[in-house]
Amino acid sequence: KAGVTQTPRYLIKTRGQQVTLSCSPISGHRSVSWYQQTPGQGLQFLFEYFSETQRNKGNFPGRFSGRQFSNSRSEMNVSTLELGDSALYLCASTNPGAASEQYFGPGTRLTVT
Amino acid sequence: KNQVEQSPQSLIILEGKNCTLQCNYTVSPFSNLRWYKQDTGRGPVSLTIMTFSENTKSNGRYTATLDADTKQSSLHITASQLSDSASYICVVSALTGGGNKLTFGTGTQLKVEL
Repeated sequence: KAGVTQTPRYLIKTRGQQVTLSCSPISGHRSVSWYQQTPGQGLQFLFEYFSETQRNKGNFPGRFSGRQFSNSRSEMNVSTLELGDSALYLCASTNPGAASEQYFGPGTRLTVT
Repeated sequence: KNQVEQSPQSLIILEGKNCTLQCNYTVSPFSNLRWYKQDTGRGPVSLTIMTFSENTKSNGRYTATLDADTKQSSLHITASQLSDSASYICVVSALTGGGNKLTFGTGTQLKVEL
């Protein structure tokens, strides 16, 4: 079974631009979660999508948005980029079992200059 | 407020030695606790998942323990190897009406040296 894939792996943008990141979950997984990881802050939860609906949301400004498609693939969009948005963005897909184990993708390293 | 605290923040040990990482949490209602290993620049990889009724779970040289009464968990690494150098993240899951809500610790950075 293929793992979680994220594209692109690396991205450089300038302040004020917008960016879209993509995540393809493991086949059969319907839940996709997004996280921001910065040094010293650990993983910060952005949002979770399940069956094309946002199920949970973290404490991030409205510039951060996402969506999920019928094939469970998900995209995350950040508008009006700020320097502080530079981070590793991780996507995780969850299996439908009781333990709800999460499988993380390799992440997209976003640098905002 | 749900919180997960890990200690130590960082640790350096010699190859072949054992070490123990700690995780204390205040998360409710508790669903499960997970330990992840994250290599630099990569996504976290699950090591163990423990539910309320499990005290110990092993994955090779990694052994996790859980004391649900004191809300503490530990991850013991036996006979460390250079490849164990990574960040180890404790994640506690609370079962809510909207599914499992995860609270992440900030991780323990482990460095294994020759």
